[in-house]
Amino acid sequence: SQQGEEDPQALSIQEGENATMNCSYKTSINNLQWYRQNSGRGLVHLILIRSNEREKHSGRLRVTLDTSKKSSSLLITASRAADTASYFCATAPRGAGNMLTFGGGTRLMVKP
Amino acid sequence: DAEITQSPRHKITETGRQVTLACHQTWNHNNMFWYRQDLGHGLRLIHYSYGVQDTNKGEVSDGYSVSRSNTEDLPLTLESAASSQTSVYFCASSESGQGRNTIYFGEGSWLTVV
Repeated sequence: SQQGEEDPQALSIQEGENATMNCSYKTSINNLQWYRQNSGRGLVHLILIRSNEREKHSGRLRVTLDTSKKSSSLLITASRAADTASYFCATAPRGAGNMLTFGGGTRLMVKP
Repeated sequence: DAEITQSPRHKITETGRQVTLACHQTWNHNNMFWYRQDLGHGLRLIHYSYGVQDTNKGEVSDGYSVSRSNTEDLPLTLESAASSQTSVYFCASSESGQGRNTIYFGEGSWLTVV
C-alpha cells in the first residue's frame, strides 16, 4: 500500500503560473522528500524536509510539512514548460530504516 | 562522476523464462533498492539491501529474487517471467545513516513479458 498519496493526480497550467501539489501520508515519518520524473527517465531528488521542519525553499520550489495533518505541499513558482514532469512525494517512516515509500505522483503539464 | 546504471534498458522475453536485470552503482552506497513502476500503482518496492550479503523483501517480492555479493551490484532475477511482471523497473541506491536516505535512481529497465 502507498504511504503517500498525491493530489491532484494531474495538473495543467500555463507557463508563468504557480503549481501546487499536495501529499498526504499515514504514519509518523523521519522526513519527506519530493522527486521529479521526466517522461521515460528515472526519478531525480528535488528536496527533503525533516519532520521537525515546517517549510523549506530551493530555488523556485517551496515545500511545507504539517505533521499534525500528515500532509505536505510542493509549490513551483513561475512555472516553465521545462517543469512538465511527474512529481512524487516519498516518505521515510519512523523505524523503517532507509526505506522510502512513494506515492502515485502528480502529472504536471505546463503549457507554453 | 558517480552514477547508477541499469542493463538492459529494454527487453522482451517470453513467459516462463528466467530474466536478470543488472544494476551497478559507483556511489559506494550501502543501500540498494529495486522498484517497479506501473500505471495506477506508482513505485512499489520489490527488494532492498543494506549491505553485502544482506537482502530483504519489499512490498511486491513474489516471483523476484536478488543477491548482493559486492557493494556495487544488485541484480534482480525474475525466476519464471509472467505477463504480470511487464513493467518498468528502477534500481536505486542511497547512503546509510540517519537522514541520509536521499535515493539516486537509475534510468530504468523496460521489461515486456509476452
